[in-house]
This record gives sequence, C-alpha cells and structure tokens, in this order.
Amino acid sequence: AQSVTQPDIHITVSEGASLELRCNYSYGATPYLFWYVQSPGQGLQLLLKYFSGDTLVQGIKGFEAEFKRSQSSFNLRKPSVHWSDAAEYFCAVGSPSGGSYIPTFGRGTSLIVHP
Amino acid sequence: ETGVTQTPRHLVMGMTNKKSLKCEQHLGHNAMYWYKQSAKKPLELMFVYSLEERVENNSVPSRFSPECPNSSHLFLHLHTLQPEDSALYLCASSQSVGYSYEQYFGPGTRLTVT
Repeated sequence: AQSVTQPDIHITVSEGASLELRCNYSYGATPYLFWYVQSPGQGLQLLLKYFSGDTLVQGIKGFEAEFKRSQSSFNLRKPSVHWSDAAEYFCAVGSPSGGSYIPTFGRGTSLIVHP
Repeated sequence: ETGVTQTPRHLVMGMTNKKSLKCEQHLGHNAMYWYKQSAKKPLELMFVYSLEERVENNSVPSRFSPECPNSSHLFLHLHTLQPEDSALYLCASSQSVGYSYEQYFGPGTRLTVT
C-alpha cells in the first residue's frame, strides 16, 4: 500500500531564510504527488503537483518541489520565507495500486516563521 | 460564491443533539469527500461520493450519516455524538474520483461536542 512520511512535525525558520520541507513516499512506481498548505482556520489549498515530466515543479506562492525517484522523495522548497507562509503543510501521494484510489496524506509539518 | 463552501463554520452540540453539516461546491466537480481532522492526528477520510453515489466509507461510526443529493451538495448528518468526535470536518471536491485528481477543500466546520 502507498504511504507518505513527513518526518518533521515542526520547522522553525527566520523570515527571509530558505525553507525545505521533507516528504518521503512508499510506492514502487512513480506516484502522483501533491503538496497542500493549510492556514489557520482554513481548508487545504493545493500548492503544486507532480505527475510526470520535469522533476522540478513550480507552484503558487513561490514554492517549488523536486521529485527524486532514487530517494522516494518530493521535498518542498522556498528560497525566501515570508511571515505569511506560517501554516501547516501536507504532502499527499496517489497511486493506482494503493488499494484505494484516493490520495494518502502525510501527518503534516507545521511551519513557524520568526521575524 | 466560488470554490467549496461549508456551513456552519462553528458548531457546538450536546451528545443528544442532531445536527447537519453542509458543503457546496461551485466548481462543476463530480466527486465530493468528507474528512475529519483532529489535533495531532493525520487527516482521516470518512466518505467519498462520485456522481452522487457513495464509493468509499472508511469504517465510520453510524452516528455519522452522509447524504449527497446532487453533485454540488454534500451533507453530514450527526446524531448522538461523543466528545472524541470534536474535530475540524473538512469537505473537498475533485473533478473525478481518482488518485491523480487534486482536491479542493472548504474552510471546514469546527465541531465541539459537549
């Protein structure tokens, strides 16, 4: 079955610093990969997605993610964090052999931004 | 209204009450979902509807009863809930049911069971 791991529960960065949030998935072939963001009191919003092609994917709000098959990873990055990026970030993976055809979500990483 | 809307945004109910959560999507999607989001726990998928038919039910207690009268509306009927049911209930929609389709989420209903 497919699974996704976000090893960091919390990440703290200073405003203006770079950011990398980790996501590892378990699946033999290339899955469909997503990153969502959830601001306080809001639902989840799609940041970006990867299905095939270029392994570096650009998303909204200046975020990007890189698919690395050899590491089964899909890490989210941003070169310069803004205070408004403080939120919960969720990685999700979808695959046709997962037993369910609904994407599986990771537990989330909470981003704290210091001024 | 655009996107996915949910009402009410906040709900406090006693364990003997009956209430309903409403979700509406304005995106022309064919699939709708209910998720439960509790503190310090992963997002839990509860129900999935595709073209108004329930296609997945993840062992959810019968005190939660979904209803999908058409592809734009989804309800979650609640009765005799327990305090551990207190959580944020999120509705989502997607173009179709499938692992490749991104989901669009509503802002959620914060439910407190007293």
